[in-house]
Amino acid sequence: DSGVTQTPKHLITATGQRVTLRCSPRSGDLSVYWYQQSLDQGLQFLIQYYNGEERAKGNILERFSAQQFPDLHSELNLSSLELGDSALYFCASSLGTSGSWEQYFGPGTRLTVT
Amino acid sequence: DQQVKQNSPSLSVQEGRISILNCDYTNSMFDYFLWYKKYPAEGPTFLISISSIKDKNEDGRFTVFLNKSAKHLSLHIVPSQPGDSAVYFCAATGYSTLTFGKGTMLLVSP
Repeated sequence: DSGVTQTPKHLITATGQRVTLRCSPRSGDLSVYWYQQSLDQGLQFLIQYYNGEERAKGNILERFSAQQFPDLHSELNLSSLELGDSALYFCASSLGTSGSWEQYFGPGTRLTVT
Repeated sequence: DQQVKQNSPSLSVQEGRISILNCDYTNSMFDYFLWYKKYPAEGPTFLISISSIKDKNEDGRFTVFLNKSAKHLSLHIVPSQPGDSAVYFCAATGYSTLTFGKGTMLLVSP
């Protein structure tokens, strides 16, 4: 158990809809990262937050947004969903300080868009 | 443009033998490298890492080797066990975000 929790575990929704994925980091970790893993693809970095502030952006679509709250949990919002958004979405956390590069991953949310 | 490449999608090894998983990178700014293991329906689990100031790091049955001049790293598992069967991801960083390879599926047969 990494200490990172993600909800829900599975999500099935229709095209055009909007969903919110939730992540709680490990105790003491200030950084939260979101990744997307599609079929036959590696882990694609989406976005990072550190202590409530956006720190880095990767291949995140404009239809997607995220935020980190004062209690350090994070939410990833996916809107105007398309079939191609079906994927596993992982959240990871780390201390976020220089030299602490190890990230600890949650179990993921499997999103199916029909 | 893949900055971290794992060219072998899969690898099969017999129990007790050595498993060698390879990873190549192109970005000279990467200075810290990590290996993650992933079982189906679970998130990736951190396995072992290495800084660019070293060329080898060991942790039990797992050893990571780094060849900076060749921009190549490898993970050795000795001896391999059936429980090691999983997808292994190589990752690299030069600042705070990790860039992952696409993974290599390792199958260790009894």
